[in-house]
Amino acid sequence: DAGVIQSPRHEVTEMGQEVTLRCKPISGHNSLFWYRQTMMRGLELLIYFNNNVPIDDSGMPEDRFSAKMPNASFSTLKIQPSEPRDSAVYFCASSLVQGSANEQFFGPGTRLTVL
Amino acid sequence: SQKIEQNSEALNIQEGKTATLTCNYTNYSPAYLQWYRQDPGRGPVFLLLIRENEKEKRKERLKVTFDTTLKQSLFHITASQPADSATYLCALDQTGANNLFFGTGTRLTVIP
Repeated sequence: DAGVIQSPRHEVTEMGQEVTLRCKPISGHNSLFWYRQTMMRGLELLIYFNNNVPIDDSGMPEDRFSAKMPNASFSTLKIQPSEPRDSAVYFCASSLVQGSANEQFFGPGTRLTVL
Repeated sequence: SQKIEQNSEALNIQEGKTATLTCNYTNYSPAYLQWYRQDPGRGPVFLLLIRENEKEKRKERLKVTFDTTLKQSLFHITASQPADSATYLCALDQTGANNLFFGTGTRLTVIP
């Protein structure tokens, strides 16, 4: 398996522009997680899906952030409009949830810079 | 407030020694705790999981303990090697949920 795939790997954009990050989870996994990592705040969960349904989006910082999972093999995280404080590394992770303890498999991340 | 604290931002040890990393938490009631390794420019990689009813878990040179009374987990790497140099993250759940909360990590450097 190729693992979790994220694109793009790097994104540089100007303040006010729309940014879309993409994720393909591991085939057969039924949960997908979006995280943001910064030096100041570490790794923070933004939202997670179970069977393509958003379960907990309490970590989404503002209405400027939205996430979708139209099918089991694809998810997007959109920021509109982007701001400099959104600069971070965004990770997607997937997991096969069976019972109560499940390891997560992370993608390589997208490094976002908003100028 | 809820906190997950890892003992130090950085830890340097000599090759061959045992590295011990600490993870303390407050205002969580985790059913399990996980440890991940993260190398620069990469996503975290799962290492070990320990459940609340387990005191200790081992995998090769790695050992994890979990004390729910002290609200603490210790992560040991024995016979450390320069290749063990990385950032190590602890993560725990909130009972009943499948999402994880991560500590800020400890950057370990093993000096040859």
